[in-house]
Amino acid sequence: EAQVTQNPRYLITVTGKKLTVTCSQNMNHEYMSWYRQDPGLGLRQIYYSMNVEVTDKGDVPEGYKVSRKEKRNFPLILESPSPNQTSLYFCASSLIPFSKSEAFFGQGTRLTVV
Amino acid sequence: GDSVTQMEGPVTLSEEAFLTINCTYTATGYPSLFWYVQYPGEGLQLLLKATKADDKGSNKGFEATYRKETTSFHLEKGSVQVSDSAVYFCAMSATNAGKSTFGDGTTLTVKP
Repeated sequence: EAQVTQNPRYLITVTGKKLTVTCSQNMNHEYMSWYRQDPGLGLRQIYYSMNVEVTDKGDVPEGYKVSRKEKRNFPLILESPSPNQTSLYFCASSLIPFSKSEAFFGQGTRLTVV
Repeated sequence: GDSVTQMEGPVTLSEEAFLTINCTYTATGYPSLFWYVQYPGEGLQLLLKATKADDKGSNKGFEATYRKETTSFHLEKGSVQVSDSAVYFCAMSATNAGKSTFGDGTTLTVKP
């Protein structure tokens, strides 16, 4: 089954404790992206990757890191999480850039930073 | 900069009512436009898209037409069902670019 898998689905952590949210897709998609969803603010793009070893900032990259060492995986790293990073996070992938093809989304990771 | 503005919600309708959710955009150039739907507890799914002016996207009874002159992409459905209850997001992306911009989302509740 074609899918985008995020882990964990739920995470509560403390301020400053490094964490990684994993994202994996099994569709051989070149393009992957991370978003955060906050009430009243919709979805905002954090980082995206057009291909392996190619990553670019979205609209809200501060406090986040990503890497794309292999096509299927695109982990989101919070080196020192803060409470304002409490949010619902979505990973997405598509065959080619977003503008040209359907994006497939994971089920989301709800992160709480206390 | 690029932005997408959606009609504020929540929207509550009775079954079989007509639905319109307004969406306007600001962009340099001519972006592709999308409507995504998010059912409770799930990720977003593509509902429909249009890649150039005057294109009409349609799926599952929903329609939206890319209007360059009014920079709009309003979502419509002639007769909504309870199963259409979800959050609807308007989105855009410039051609061949990796960046995407989403609206705030509009929550639709359809009552029997």
